[in-house]
Amino acid sequence: TQLLEQSPQFLSIQEGENLTVYCNSSSVFSSLQWYRQEPGEGPVLLVTVVTGGEVKKLKRLTFQFGDARKDSSLHITAAQTGDTGLYLCAGLSSGTYKYIFGTGTRLKVLA
Amino acid sequence: ETGVTQTPRHLVMGMTNKKSLKCEQHLGHNAMYWYKQSAKKPLELMFVYSLEERVENNSVPSRFSPECPNSSHLFLHLHTLQPEDSALYLCASSQGPQETQYFGPGTRLLVL
Repeated sequence: TQLLEQSPQFLSIQEGENLTVYCNSSSVFSSLQWYRQEPGEGPVLLVTVVTGGEVKKLKRLTFQFGDARKDSSLHITAAQTGDTGLYLCAGLSSGTYKYIFGTGTRLKVLA
Repeated sequence: ETGVTQTPRHLVMGMTNKKSLKCEQHLGHNAMYWYKQSAKKPLELMFVYSLEERVENNSVPSRFSPECPNSSHLFLHLHTLQPEDSALYLCASSQGPQETQYFGPGTRLLVL
């Protein structure tokens, strides 16, 4: 069974701090997405990474796909209260229609 | 607003009821999905449709019955559910079955 483990599970930080969330697996994925989900809503896509070693930046968010396409990280610089939410990674197994979702990281940024 | 809408947003039903969840996408996508999101568990893929044909059924009990009449609409028909089926049911769509998915806001279902 393919699994995507995210760490940490929970994170509570002060506004202005930096943080990194990890998404790890023993399986190779052809692509990987990061989503943010707020209470009572569906996940909203942040980024898709496809190439091993790829780095993408979205304002204060930096996403990296591992060289072997088995893991990914999300780094947030100078966190803001609006960054609060559940962060999910999702990997697409090669040759399938099946996205595997990670266990999630619940982030709370305090003012 | 992601271009994927779901109705109803909240639903309470008894174990003997029959109800349907509806999803509509306005993105011109060809693939649609149903997911279940329970507390403390990762999102679970239930069904995948590509060009109105079911291409994935992830061992879902028969009390959940999907229907995809066209590429813009997806239904999930529910009957004789159990309390453990209470969850957030999310619909998603993508250009093709291996493309990036866009999610609707979900239907929060409570089975009494």
